[in-house]
Amino acid sequence: AQSVTQLDSQVPVFEEAPVELRCNYSSSVSVYLFWYVQYPNQGLQLLLKYLSGSTLVKSINGFEAEFNKSQTSFHLRKPSVHISDTAEYFCAVSERTAAGNKLTFGGGTRVLVKP
Amino acid sequence: DGGITQSPKYLFRKEGQNVTLSCEQNLNHDAMYWYRQDPGQGLRLIYYSQIVNDFQKGDIAEGYSVSREKKESFPLTVTSAQKNPTAFYLCATSRTKNIQYFGAGTRLSVL
Repeated sequence: AQSVTQLDSQVPVFEEAPVELRCNYSSSVSVYLFWYVQYPNQGLQLLLKYLSGSTLVKSINGFEAEFNKSQTSFHLRKPSVHISDTAEYFCAVSERTAAGNKLTFGGGTRVLVKP
Repeated sequence: DGGITQSPKYLFRKEGQNVTLSCEQNLNHDAMYWYRQDPGQGLRLIYYSQIVNDFQKGDIAEGYSVSREKKESFPLTVTSAQKNPTAFYLCATSRTKNIQYFGAGTRLSVL
C-alpha cells in the first residue's frame, strides 16, 4: 500500500525567508502528486499538481515543487514567505487501484510565518 | 454558485445516536469521497464512490455508512457503532486524474 511521509510536522519561519516542506512517498509505480493547503477550519485547496511532463511545477502564488522519481520525493518550496502563508500543507499521492483511484495523504506540515 | 456544499458546518451527536452529514456537488463530477481528519494524522479515507449506486470502503469504514443514489449527493452516516466520532469530516469530488476538490468540512463533536 502507498504511504506518504512528511518529515516535518511543524515549520516556523520568518517572513520573507525561504521555506521547504519535504514529502516522500513509498511506491515507484506511476503516480500523480499533489500539494494541498488548509487554512484553519476550512477545507483543502489544491496548491499544485504533477501529472506528467516537466518535473518542476509552480503555483500562481510563488510555490513550486519538484518531482524526483529516483528519490520518490515531491518537496515544496517558496523563496520568500508571507504572513498569509501560515497554514497546514498536505502532500498527496494518487495511484490507480483495482477499485478505482485512491489519494493517500501525508500527515501534514504546519507552517507558522513569524513577522 | 458552483462547488461542493457540506452541511451542517457544526454537528453534535448524543451517545447512541446516528447522525448524517450532507455533501452535495454541482460540478458534474463522477467520483465522491469522504475523509476524516484528526489533529496530526492527516486525512484518512472512509468511503468513496466512482459512480452512482456503487461505493467502496476506504481505510477506516467501520462505524460509518454511505449511499449514492444521485450523482450530486453522497451523504455519510456516523452510526452509534463509531465510538470515537469527534473529528473534522471532509467531502471531496473528482472528475479526472484523481484531482480532488474539497468542501469546507463538517466538525462533529460528541455531547
